[in-house]
Amino acid sequence: KNQVEQSPQSLIILEGKNCTLQCNYTVSPFSNLRWYKQDTGRGPVSLTIMTFSENTKSNGRYTATLDADTKQSSLHITASQLSDSASYICVVSGGGYSTLTFGKGTMLLVSP
Amino acid sequence: DAGVIQSPRHEVTEMGQEVTLRCKPISGHDYLFWYRQTMMRGLELLIYFNNNVPIDDSGMPEDRFSAKMPNASFSTLKIQPSEPRDSAVYFCASSERTVLYEQYFGPGTRLTVT
Repeated sequence: KNQVEQSPQSLIILEGKNCTLQCNYTVSPFSNLRWYKQDTGRGPVSLTIMTFSENTKSNGRYTATLDADTKQSSLHITASQLSDSASYICVVSGGGYSTLTFGKGTMLLVSP
Repeated sequence: DAGVIQSPRHEVTEMGQEVTLRCKPISGHDYLFWYRQTMMRGLELLIYFNNNVPIDDSGMPEDRFSAKMPNASFSTLKIQPSEPRDSAVYFCASSERTVLYEQYFGPGTRLTVT
């Protein structure tokens, strides 16, 4: 069964600090992996997408990495800001919309 | 573009009542999706359409749920009769086929069934 596991479930960090969120998946075959940011009361917004051949992709202070061999991805946030407080969801695709498998997300709180 | 539009934003209803959620996708997007999000289960794909035709409804929990897309700019998700366990946030999303399955989500409808 395809699964996406995210850790930690929740995280509190001080403003200005860095943090790393983890995503492990068992989806096979693998097509691409996407990280979404979901602010409270809003729909998810895509941060990055990576295909099989990509190891790293950045979007401003967000850097995602992918190791397709170990089926792991991480999202690193640099110099956190209060606006980074949100849920971060990892989504893995096996090659079609029906194969999209969502993680339950990591809730990040950036404290002043 | 205004993005994906959903209505209502909040719905409170009593068990047994019919509930209809509405969605207007981004113009030009060929795909439309309905999701349900709860704390326990996260985001779950209920059904999706391609060019107004339902492609995969395997995520629809039971016959009480139905979805329609009468034209390219409008879709509904109906629950009849509603039950307390249907309480969740329901998201509509749309997508262009050529953009590596990127989906644009609406703001969601928070449904509470008492």
